[in-house]
Amino acid sequence: GPKVLQIPSHQIIDMGQMVTLNCDPVSNHLYFYWYKQILGQQMEFLVNFYNGKVMEKSKLFKDQFSVERPDGSYFTLKIQPTALEDSAVYFCASSSTGWGTEVFFGKGTRLTVV
Amino acid sequence: GDKVKQSPSALSLQEGTNSALRCNFSIAATTVQWFLQNPRGSLINLFYLVPGTKENGRLKSAFDSKESYSTLHIRDAQLEDSGTYFCAAELNSNNRIFFGDGTQLVVKP
Repeated sequence: GPKVLQIPSHQIIDMGQMVTLNCDPVSNHLYFYWYKQILGQQMEFLVNFYNGKVMEKSKLFKDQFSVERPDGSYFTLKIQPTALEDSAVYFCASSSTGWGTEVFFGKGTRLTVV
Repeated sequence: GDKVKQSPSALSLQEGTNSALRCNFSIAATTVQWFLQNPRGSLINLFYLVPGTKENGRLKSAFDSKESYSTLHIRDAQLEDSGTYFCAAELNSNNRIFFGDGTQLVVKP
């Protein structure tokens, strides 16, 4: 079936440094999402993105976070600077029309901030 | 989460037995998805539902939008069914999905 690829699967970074998480969404999908899952907890919505713009973001999407998808390449989540509480698994997802259609999730990127 | 409540929070099954997981929504849901998160943390998509039922092998899921709940039935549980099952619902027709807290399932031999 359709696959969302996330690169890398695991990243370790020093606190205060910048990190970029990459997502290759399903081809021809137009809506993109990032979710955050702290170990042992539920997944929580961070942001959704359509037509080059952030459509909606939660309170978890701090000012240090940004998303973009330049020229149809990877959909990225950048954190600058990173903090210890940013350690989590970040899941990327995509869907074709954004409402009422199946959302496909990647396998996640485990971010460890030390 | 407070919008999507899953029950039970944890479940232990003997291999070969049957059980059901449930997801209740505090407000109207338009679509529901069920996932299995394996011990490595990867999400496996089980079902995507509009109101109705779907069946795949030993798994069957139903979504009743009027009563605001969804169920996942596991028949003849196997060891490899162990993991955390999440339901996720699209609520209020917006472009986000709300996840439940998950049900941790352990299947024992």
